[in-house]
Parts: sequence; C-alpha cells; structure tokens
Amino acid sequence: QSALTQPRSVSGSPGQSVTISCTGTSSDVGRYNYVSWYQQHPGDAPKLMVYDVFKRPSGVPDRFSGSKSGNTASLTISGLQAEDEADYYCFSYSGRNTFDFGGGTKVTVL
Amino acid sequence: VQLVESGGGLVQPGGSLKLSCAASGFAVSRNWMHWVRQAPGKGLVWVSRINSDGINTIYADSVKGRFTISRDDAKNTLYLQMNTLSAEDTALYYCVGGVAGHNLENWGQGTLVTVSS
Repeated sequence: QSALTQPRSVSGSPGQSVTISCTGTSSDVGRYNYVSWYQQHPGDAPKLMVYDVFKRPSGVPDRFSGSKSGNTASLTISGLQAEDEADYYCFSYSGRNTFDFGGGTKVTVL
Repeated sequence: VQLVESGGGLVQPGGSLKLSCAASGFAVSRNWMHWVRQAPGKGLVWVSRINSDGINTIYADSVKGRFTISRDDAKNTLYLQMNTLSAEDTALYYCVGGVAGHNLENWGQGTLVTVSS
C-alpha cells in the first residue's frame, strides 16, 4: 500500500478538465514543496510532467498544472486530449530520508 | 540524454545481481541518481538514491541492508548491487537522474529482474 493516496481512475471527454489528487500527511506532502508528477503510457518509461508542486519542464504542455493545499497535491489536465490517456503517479520526499510514490491513477479519455 | 540499464535477468531466490546504467549526454557525477522499480502490472516504487557528491546514499526500507547503490564516474555509470533477492524484488528496474535530488527528470528504459526458482 502506497504512502500517498491517489484515486485509481479518473475519466473525461476530450476538451474537458480532470484533476488527480495525491493525499499524504503533514510529514511529506504537507511539509515539503517536493511533489512531482509522472505520466506513463503502456510499455513506456515514465515522464516528468510537473515538479516542485507546480513547475513544468520544458516541452510539457501548459494544459498540465500542479497545485497543493495542505496535505493534498493535485494535477489538473485541462483541455483533455486523446494522448493524455495514461497512468499518472505523484512522488514526494517523505522526510525520513526516503521517497514515496502514489499508487497511480489511470486517466481515461472517453 | 540517454540512460541505458543492463544486468537484469533470471535469478534464484537468495541470489545476487548487479545492475548497471550507462549514461551518455549526461554526467552521473554531476547529478542525483535514483533507482525506481515497477513490478509487472503494478505501480512505481522508489528504491534508492545517490547524491551528486557520490557519497551519501539512501534506501527504501524494503531494500535497506540488501541493496547498494554506487557509481563509477570514470565510466559514467550507475550501479545497483542486489543481494538476498526474493520474489518480491521481481520488477523492471529504472535508472533515473536529474540535477535536483527530489525530481526524477531523465529515465532509462529499464532492465527486468525476475526472481524465481
């Protein structure tokens, strides 16, 4: 069982927005701005989409945005597109000289 | 940037294996390097990190005392020595690196480790 809790799945129609939550505790997500998000298509390696809660690496569309409130971080995909269908994982420093991933969320484009 | 893992394979329970990750266009000596694994059909699990200083290392509780992360700057290669392997260690192992210690910026394609008798 992952230390960070994500919904198992979310879905939306093309053009809609979806939000994936990542709930931790005051010792990890709530304490550090070290939350990042990864997209993984089947058979591929993960790809960094958002880091330090809300920053986007070069080349990542601005449809992807991150935020945090208290012990919960969120990834929002606006203007959902077919190629956004993938698994998404949050990742955070846990403050005990370890890191944790969320269990992953499958995004389905209807 | 290219990270290429190797060394995976089939190993019996209790056995050992050493994974390698050869980097190109990317200096392991100037980056923070991680190993992340993914069991078949399962989620990502963080395994270990070596700091950019090449000295400080940290591990997930599930591998502490059994796995050792290291690097060879001259060969620009990251390693993971895995001992006392069990079926629970069966996974695709990814080598990951980046300029910040808490972000997983550049990923390899992974090497598969299967622990079975």
